[in-house]
Amino acid sequence: GDSVTQMEGPVTLSEEAFLTINCTYTATGYPSLFWYVQYPGEGLQLLLKATKADDKGSNKGFEATYRKETTSFHLEKGSVQVSDSAVYFCALRVSGGSNYKLTFGKGTLLTVNP
Amino acid sequence: GAGVSQSPRYKVAKRGQDVALRCDPISGHVSLFWYQQALGQGPEFLTYFQNEAQLDKSGLPSDRFFAERPEGSVSTLKIQRTQQEDSAVYLCASSSLGGQYSNQPQHFGDGTRLSIL
Repeated sequence: GDSVTQMEGPVTLSEEAFLTINCTYTATGYPSLFWYVQYPGEGLQLLLKATKADDKGSNKGFEATYRKETTSFHLEKGSVQVSDSAVYFCALRVSGGSNYKLTFGKGTLLTVNP
Repeated sequence: GAGVSQSPRYKVAKRGQDVALRCDPISGHVSLFWYQQALGQGPEFLTYFQNEAQLDKSGLPSDRFFAERPEGSVSTLKIQRTQQEDSAVYLCASSSLGGQYSNQPQHFGDGTRLSIL
């Protein structure tokens, strides 16, 4: 079946540090890939997405590149801020069949200290 | 409203009681989804509606879980005879088009946190 594996958290960084959160996937079909962010007490917000190999999704200084050869979609940001503290979820959705289902990783808690 | 609205935000129930969770999707959105998020885990798919039709309920954990969307807008997730393992955050999401458009984003509500004592 489909699955997403994220690096274990929590991740604690100082402000302006470089962020990488690793994400790899297994998919039964051709997936679209997503990163969602969940701030405390809130629902999930779509952060960025990529729908085909070598696409780069970007938003709010975050970016991730769809790497088909390594089945990865790592999230990066060059300089994190305190306001980036949240839980980050990598997710996929395959085309065809049950293509409406999002399959999520377990999430990675990021804490950014001033 | 502008986003997906869920109510109540918090629900505490005693084991064995029935609960009903409500979702108001974004106006005009065709697709509606329910997910269950256990503590420290990612959301897991429960069920999918396209308008009023429930096209997939494969993720519902047991026959105690029931979802409906009778007029193709508001949806209710009902859990009968609740058990402690039902404690989780229940997330509702909607998207503008039918589910065959796999790159359409799903917009999530803030969730209902259900605690079973």
